[in-house]
Amino acid sequence: DAKTTQPPSMDCAEGRAANLPCNHSTISGNEYVYWYRQIHSQGPQYIIHGLKNNETNEMASLIITEDRKSSTLILPHATLRDTAVYYCIVRVYPLSGGYQKVTFGTGTKLQVIP
Amino acid sequence: DGGITQSPKYLFRKEGQNVTLSCEQNLNHDAMYWYRQDPGQGLRLIYYSQIVNDFQKGDIAEGYSVSREKKESFPLTVTSAQKNPTAFYLCASRDGLMNTEAFFGQGTRLTVV
Repeated sequence: DAKTTQPPSMDCAEGRAANLPCNHSTISGNEYVYWYRQIHSQGPQYIIHGLKNNETNEMASLIITEDRKSSTLILPHATLRDTAVYYCIVRVYPLSGGYQKVTFGTGTKLQVIP
Repeated sequence: DGGITQSPKYLFRKEGQNVTLSCEQNLNHDAMYWYRQDPGQGLRLIYYSQIVNDFQKGDIAEGYSVSREKKESFPLTVTSAQKNPTAFYLCASRDGLMNTEAFFGQGTRLTVV
């Protein structure tokens, strides 16, 4: 799996958009970008994933650059409940199945400020 | 409701004792994973399993053992050989053949005294 680089921490004012960057410069053509978040002392929660097109769901938007070497997770209106550690990972989608070693980095600690 | 369950949430053991952490899922997922998390750090992969009766070492497998006798269950044993067993342990599962996200349990906080 390609390695990812994220800033260790970020602050965001409540109600504003939170933009969390992730660099994955060694990503290969069949690797997807996934985002998870982990609220303190709980299991990580899936947010969104994408391959090369921008994606949006009820939680967030994912913007992937054209060269796919970086991406940004956007929380459009951050709330205090969005305070968490956000993990960006890249993972191969094996068309024929097979073993999937899913690894996480250290993530970005997002602090939403009232 | 479908989900992945880890038990217990908190576990205390004396140094030198083996301890087994439970992970059960009723999502019919093929793949299951065990991670360890230390304060202020990310998740590190201990073991993972794609199918029943088969599993692979992750990045920090030393001092741990697993079994996958049933699709629903992937217990992790922390042995006395693990030098620093006190940590937060997370289990996850996902559909092995589909490009889907992983679902995580709520974790077990193990404290060895």
